[in-house]
Amino acid sequence: EVQLVETGGGLIQPGGSLRVSCEVSGFTVNTNYMNWVRQAPGKGLEWVSIIYSGGTTYYADSVKGRFTISRDSSKNTLSLQMNTLRAEDTAVYYCARAVGAYYYYMDVWGKGTTVTVSS
Amino acid sequence: SSELTQDPAVSVALGQTVRITCQGDSLRTYFASWYQQKPGQAPVLVFYGKDNRPSGIPDRFSGSNSGNTASLTITGTQAEDEADYYCNCRDTSDNYLLIFGGGTKLTVL
Repeated sequence: EVQLVETGGGLIQPGGSLRVSCEVSGFTVNTNYMNWVRQAPGKGLEWVSIIYSGGTTYYADSVKGRFTISRDSSKNTLSLQMNTLRAEDTAVYYCARAVGAYYYYMDVWGKGTTVTVSS
Repeated sequence: SSELTQDPAVSVALGQTVRITCQGDSLRTYFASWYQQKPGQAPVLVFYGKDNRPSGIPDRFSGSNSGNTASLTITGTQAEDEADYYCNCRDTSDNYLLIFGGGTKLTVL
């Protein structure tokens, strides 16, 4: 069964660091385009980061230089290391698989993990 | 980065047809994908590309594209279609990035 399960969310103080992970089942993480998408309370979806099958990574301007996306092929997991966290990073973080050659679509989503940045 | 613009809210009478639109320069180059999100749940892909509906999505959901606008149409709207809908596509300002529209809250009357 194709499934994504996020873990690692929690309460963290501003300026702190947190790592969230996504356990992938039913397909291989390193042969797919994997994304992190977040949703602040009461707000819309915001794309955060992508790691392509070749390993290249890209980030939204709002997190560039603070967040790092990575994958572990031995564990078939995706991770997002979040540093220098701010209150505005408070959100549900979803991992999602993107499919496509020219245009993309996200066909598999996890249920999300909640990150709260507050003192 | 580029932007995708959606109407914040749309309402439709039960059984009627509703069109949800998404506008942005990136849509002149890339097809959109559409996601339905109900309260407390993860987004679900409901339509993508020129004419693609994932398995399990009712055929009352359809999509179209014209110029800088992508549209999601629900024909014969059901009560369970009440949800937030988001469009998404690649960002032509940097083709390796993706962008979401702000979302449209659909109310079924």
